[in-house]
Amino acid sequence: AQSVTQLGSHVSVSEGALVLLRCNYSSSVPPYLFWYVQYPNQGLQLLLKYTTGATLVKGINGFEAEFKKSETSFHLTKPSAHMSDAAEYFCAVILSGGSYIPTFGRGTSLIVHP
Amino acid sequence: DGGITQSPKYLFRKEGQNVTLSCEQNLNHDAMYWYRQDPGQGLRLIYYSQIVNDFQKGDIAEGYSVSREKKESFPLTVTSAQKNPTAFYLCASKKTQSGNEKLFFGSGTQLSVL
Repeated sequence: AQSVTQLGSHVSVSEGALVLLRCNYSSSVPPYLFWYVQYPNQGLQLLLKYTTGATLVKGINGFEAEFKKSETSFHLTKPSAHMSDAAEYFCAVILSGGSYIPTFGRGTSLIVHP
Repeated sequence: DGGITQSPKYLFRKEGQNVTLSCEQNLNHDAMYWYRQDPGQGLRLIYYSQIVNDFQKGDIAEGYSVSREKKESFPLTVTSAQKNPTAFYLCASKKTQSGNEKLFFGSGTQLSVL
């Protein structure tokens, strides 16, 4: 079975501060990992993904994430928060060799203060 | 432009009524998914379909039904058996059932009970 845990339902930062959103997964096989962003009353859009190769992946809007197998983590970071980053962020995992059904974490709401 | 269209954006259900949420995609994707989103619970899978005329139950299928008669369409019916239908419903699609591809999402339907 696969599962995704996002630590912290809400994260609050000041504009210009570092953004760190945490995601841990459980899997006995190599995972495919994704971060999606959702703005109010909209669907989700992909920020970045890890499939194979380089463990540090860069996405849109200045976000990046690092796959750490030893820690079963895929934390999302951005060096400097912008007001427009305020949104809900979801981590998702797909297991290789299975039915390839995405499983989502519960989401983290990012609040950016001026 | 290609994409996924969900309609209506807002829907109200009366007691004992069945309602159908529409999901249409022109991306030529094989796989389609329905998720339910409740505050603080992330996205939970209701049904998915990886090919026309075939679909599978997800984690919370009770009280819901789907059909996949055409590649482009994957409507979701919320039946009267679903006792707590108020939620935001998201339809998504993926090109194939492989693991390394992202999901494309519609903009969602907010269902409320009158």
